[in-house]
Amino acid sequence: GAVVSQHPSRVICKSGTSVKIECRSLDFQATTMFWYRQFPKQSLMLMATSNEGSKATYEQGVEKDKFLINHASLTLSTLTVTSAHPEDSSFYICSAGRPGLGRPSEQFFGPGTRLTVL
Amino acid sequence: SQQGEEDPQALSIQEGENATMNCSYKTSINNLQWYRQNSGRGLVHLILIRSNEREKHSGRLRVTLDTSKKSSSLLITASRAADTASYFCATEAQGGSEKLVFGKGTKLTVNP
Repeated sequence: GAVVSQHPSRVICKSGTSVKIECRSLDFQATTMFWYRQFPKQSLMLMATSNEGSKATYEQGVEKDKFLINHASLTLSTLTVTSAHPEDSSFYICSAGRPGLGRPSEQFFGPGTRLTVL
Repeated sequence: SQQGEEDPQALSIQEGENATMNCSYKTSINNLQWYRQNSGRGLVHLILIRSNEREKHSGRLRVTLDTSKKSSSLLITASRAADTASYFCATEAQGGSEKLVFGKGTKLTVNP
């Protein structure tokens, strides 16, 4: 199977600090990783697309200097929430894309990271 | 990016009944996918239907796609209490970007 992990699963931090979230594809190489955020009882909103070895592509309205994304290898992407504020509290989910032969690229989702900024 | 709409937003049924959830979207798509999310957890991929397909089955799941109406439905037959979760549709737009646009979701509660 294709497994994507996220670390940490839950983090509580003080306002003004930075938090790094890791997303790893454990048993396959992910050419593309996606970062989403989800507010309580709401849907997933795509924040950015991360390609290994190149700069991330951010969705409209997402501050690239606030949400730093690094995709250093084919199995690891990191999201750093810089100078976090309470309004950044959310559930952050990553997914990793694995191109399929003759079929649409499948995305496999991590279990999510619950960020609470005090 | 625009999001699709699912209806109903919430659905409560008894075990054994069928549950139908609908999804509408706005752009031309490569495929449409349905996901399940248990409270506070990640997403589980249920089924993918391509734009040239009209119906697909997987176990107790049946998905239909009507590209002329830009809509899809997910039917869960003989529901179980363990099916209680939120269900989201997600569309991959034409163009090969692989980006998924998620609908707002339907919260399904199956009462024992």
